[in-house]
Amino acid sequence: DIQMTQSPSTLSASAGDRVTITCRASQSINSWLAWYQQRSGKAPKLLIQKASTIESGVPSRFSGSASGTDFTLTISSLQPDDFATYYCQQYKSYPYTFGQGTKLEIK
Amino acid sequence: QVQLHESGPGLVKPSETLSLTCTVSGDSMSGYYWGWIRQPPGKGLEWVGYIHYSGSTYYNPSLESRVTVSLDTSKNQFSLKLSSVTAADTAVYYCARRRPVAGLFDYWGQGTLVTVSS
Repeated sequence: DIQMTQSPSTLSASAGDRVTITCRASQSINSWLAWYQQRSGKAPKLLIQKASTIESGVPSRFSGSASGTDFTLTISSLQPDDFATYYCQQYKSYPYTFGQGTKLEIK
Repeated sequence: QVQLHESGPGLVKPSETLSLTCTVSGDSMSGYYWGWIRQPPGKGLEWVGYIHYSGSTYYNPSLESRVTVSLDTSKNQFSLKLSSVTAADTAVYYCARRRPVAGLFDYWGQGTLVTVSS
């Protein structure tokens, strides 16, 4: 199985901050990576596909990038709604696997 | 707008079979994959399996011997059965739609908590 390792596990930040979350794959997944946002008690919401393509309706402050097996999700200016847990997911090969999550907390 | 809604018992006894149904509304099921992802309390997400509209199924190898996903297009529903459950199967179970050409999940149900306990 492809292991997906996110860092950090928890990130404390303030509204207006720029934050970056990293996801590392244990082997090449090309750009077959998605990012999801999960607010407390809610289902995950798809934000980004193919490492850097933002889904329709997702604010432009969200962006994704890739370098080899390292992937990043950047939020350029945190808004109150952005405090949530973020997951990466590889869909290069079965079984599809998720990172363990990064909880973005209010500082 | 596609909507998914899970239904089924919230409590299952150890060694029994967990059964959930997902009802899809707002769009046709044709051409898509329909699947299940679970999340133990306080933990991360685990892909369980899915079924294509054609009937082809794909399961997580870690669960494959116990999982069955089936489709009832006449009712716009698909179902999950997980046999021989233990406490480790306690989780929020989400149903979701997978896109045809990419293995990502674009629409999700709200999730249903299933607890395995005697």
